Amino acid sequence: GENVEQHPSTLSVQEGDSAVIKCTYSDSASNYFPWYKQELGKRPQLIIDIRSNVGEKKDQRIAVTLNKTAKHFSLHITETQPEDSAVYFCAASSSGNQFYFGTGTSLTVIP
Amino acid sequence: GAGVSQTPSNKVTEKGKYVELRCDPISGHTALYWYRQSLGQGPEFLIYFQGTGAADDSGLPNDRFFAVRPEGSVSTLKIQRTERGDSAVYLCASNQGSNTGELFFGEGSRLTVL
Repeated sequence: GENVEQHPSTLSVQEGDSAVIKCTYSDSASNYFPWYKQELGKRPQLIIDIRSNVGEKKDQRIAVTLNKTAKHFSLHITETQPEDSAVYFCAASSSGNQFYFGTGTSLTVIP
Repeated sequence: GAGVSQTPSNKVTEKGKYVELRCDPISGHTALYWYRQSLGQGPEFLIYFQGTGAADDSGLPNDRFFAVRPEGSVSTLKIQRTERGDSAVYLCASNQGSNTGELFFGEGSRLTVL
């Protein structure tokens, strides 16, 4: 099956700085790459996603880039705010409708 | 309901006991997923249903784990002869059956095996 690796496992940034989280995947058939945010004790919630026919997608302060050749995709958060502090998970999915998750990045934004 | 509902939210049991965890997906969602999340880890895939049938159960760790979805809506994850290593948060998610569709997660069932 698919193997999704994510790094770093922890990330601390000053408020206002940018944060970048990177993921790699192994299955070239994967064609959908969502990112989920999970606050402490809460359910994971989708924050942005990208399909394999697109190289980049932006939504306000959040952007995701995809490099299909290298099989990696990244989450970029600009102008970070304390409420961005959470655990972020990347995932990869293929037509088999499986969703495989990375191990998560704990982001701390220091005020 | 408006979202994915899971019960119980917390379950403490003794080693060797039988446990059932319930998931009520969003109405109309044909796909239902069970994941297991240990502390500091990402959701680990267990099983995926499309309608009433298990489309992929390759993530179930062993034959002590079983899940059903008899009417294509509510699903029950069943764990026999629980072990301490089964302690985790069990997350259920649903979507409309497309691999490019958002997964909607429940709040999870925290299982503690003493």
